[in-house]
Amino acid sequence: KAGVTQTPRYLIKTRGQQVTLSCSPISGHRSVSWYQQTPGQGLQFLFEYFSETQRNKGNFPGRFSGRQFSNSRSEMNVSTLELGDSALYLCASSSSLGGGSYEQYFGPGTRLTVT
Amino acid sequence: GDSVTQMEGPVTLSEEAFLTINCTYTATGYPSLFWYVQYPGEGLQLLLKATKADDKGSNKGFEATYRKETTSFHLEKGSVQVSDSAVYFCALISLQGGTSYGKLTFGQGTILTVHP
Repeated sequence: KAGVTQTPRYLIKTRGQQVTLSCSPISGHRSVSWYQQTPGQGLQFLFEYFSETQRNKGNFPGRFSGRQFSNSRSEMNVSTLELGDSALYLCASSSSLGGGSYEQYFGPGTRLTVT
Repeated sequence: GDSVTQMEGPVTLSEEAFLTINCTYTATGYPSLFWYVQYPGEGLQLLLKATKADDKGSNKGFEATYRKETTSFHLEKGSVQVSDSAVYFCALISLQGGTSYGKLTFGQGTILTVHP
């Protein structure tokens, strides 16, 4: 099976702009989670989608949003970019079936730099 | 809320040395526990997992045992290689639903460097 893919791999944006990142999960996986990784804060949970519904959301401002499509592909959007949004954004997919261990499989990430 | 604490790094070892990275957790209920590894410029790879007390996860010579009584999940390897140099993350996911859906809680990561 193909793994989790994320596009683009690298992005450079200017403060105030907005950005959209894309994630394609492993075939058959219906749950997609997003994380922000920074040297200072480590790995922080952004949100999780399952069957096009957001089931959980972390502690991030409303500038961070996401959605999931019927084919389980997901996008996240960051509006009005700030310098502090510079980070590696990781997407992970899971089969999220009852009785499972709910392990997540990660993509390579999108490195966002805000200047 | 849930939390994971890993031993402070970085850890520097010689090839063939024994490795231990400590991990303790706080969680409600009975979480599933994981170790992930991240190589430079890459995403996280699932290294091993355990879903209930006394389970031992193992992969590529690495092992960790789910210890409910000490709320620990320490990572061990008997003989490390240069290729094991990476950042290691301990993580948990609570199976309570609600605010736990899809949310892995990570430790701060431990940088491992192995010298020839």
